Amino acid sequence: DVKVTQSSRYLVKRTGEKVFLECVQDMDHENMFWYRQDPGLGLRLIYFSYDVKMKEKGDIPEGYSVSREKKERFSLILESASTNQTSMYLCATRTGGQNGYTFGSGTRLTVV
Amino acid sequence: GQNIDQPTEMTATEGAIVQINCTYQTSGFNGLFWYQQHAGEAPTFLSYNVLDGLEEKGRFSSFLSRSKGYSYLLLKELQMKDSASYLCAVSNDYKLSFGAGTTVTVRA
Repeated sequence: DVKVTQSSRYLVKRTGEKVFLECVQDMDHENMFWYRQDPGLGLRLIYFSYDVKMKEKGDIPEGYSVSREKKERFSLILESASTNQTSMYLCATRTGGQNGYTFGSGTRLTVV
Repeated sequence: GQNIDQPTEMTATEGAIVQINCTYQTSGFNGLFWYQQHAGEAPTFLSYNVLDGLEEKGRFSSFLSRSKGYSYLLLKELQMKDSASYLCAVSNDYKLSFGAGTTVTVRA
């Protein structure tokens, strides 16, 4: 089974801090994605990557950036955290075909 | 743009059947997925439809009508462990766009 690991389950950061959320997958998949999930809004795509060093903006990229230096690792960066970035962040890799995506267990970020 | 609608909440009794509808208007379509998400956990894959018709997988079935932009997830013989959120997602150019999710509560 594909395993997608997010480094932190819970994080509390201060406004203005630079925040790194890490995601690692163990199946050599090319496609990786970052979503945030908020009540009543569902999952919204922040950034995605189809290959190493490649990144594309999703639907809500403002305030975020990403890094993909190695195939297995896709990092989400909050350059200057704000309270409206308090959310659940989910990383996913595209498993291919009819199995869709495999998600990590999520990082619940609170910005105070 | 993407517009994916599903009901916010549904309640049903253990052993009953519940149908969760999903309507979508998207700029492209590669397939429709249903995911289950228990509170505090990651979404897990339930079903995938790319052609019109019904896909059955045990107690869960999913239906798709591409011409109507419509899908439903049918949960039969409900169990307490089925209490969760159910997410409808449309694949377009290998990106998934999600509805807001339907919270299903199963009562004894």
